[in-house]
Amino acid sequence: QKEVEQDPGPLSVPEGAIVSLNCTYSNSAFQYFMWYRQYSRKGPELLMYTYSSGNKEDGRFTAQVDKSSKYISLFIRDSQPSDSATYLCAMSSGGGNKLTFGTGTQLKVEL
Amino acid sequence: GAVVSQHPSWVICKSGTSVKIECRSLDFQATTMFWYRQFPKQSLMLMATSNEGSKATYEQGVEKDKFLINHASLTLSTLTVTSAHPEDSSFYICSATMTNLETQYFGPGTRLLVL
Repeated sequence: QKEVEQDPGPLSVPEGAIVSLNCTYSNSAFQYFMWYRQYSRKGPELLMYTYSSGNKEDGRFTAQVDKSSKYISLFIRDSQPSDSATYLCAMSSGGGNKLTFGTGTQLKVEL
Repeated sequence: GAVVSQHPSWVICKSGTSVKIECRSLDFQATTMFWYRQFPKQSLMLMATSNEGSKATYEQGVEKDKFLINHASLTLSTLTVTSAHPEDSSFYICSATMTNLETQYFGPGTRLLVL
């Protein structure tokens, strides 16, 4: 079993839809959680970073962490075609340790 | 803030040659830099972790003599692919972080094609 599981998609939604992207993890040592967006042939871009259970909002993006269930989510409101990309969840146990990534979910927002 | 650059963005070389890729943190001092490799439609695979002034720590299965990493300053790390072969063709991405920061900032990546 992988430490981090992420549905690879592809996920196709109409413009304006609410998108929910999810990851589950098995390592209870993970304390820091990130979401990255990666456009084709580009490096990942940090979208959200959180370290506590609950919700964190930034514009159209909301990151949700439930440490008791070992489950994290990224919600995108009013999705736009420019949101079409691969979304990677990542997490670490801290102390400068390396990140463990999900496999990425490919999202396409259609006009 | 937290901008990381890579150079070159793409490179084509002949089999047997060596290729150097630079990774720079432009607006912060990176105590730790990471090098990843990514194949099409796959996630990032960590190759090595480097701390400024120290030898890099390589992940299992990554050849140290093939992928030379130097982290000579707090803003620059280099990855040299020695005697490159077609199977080394890939997308190489670096990331950087600072002390007490648990996230990483990624460069734009370097696409390597070995003919």
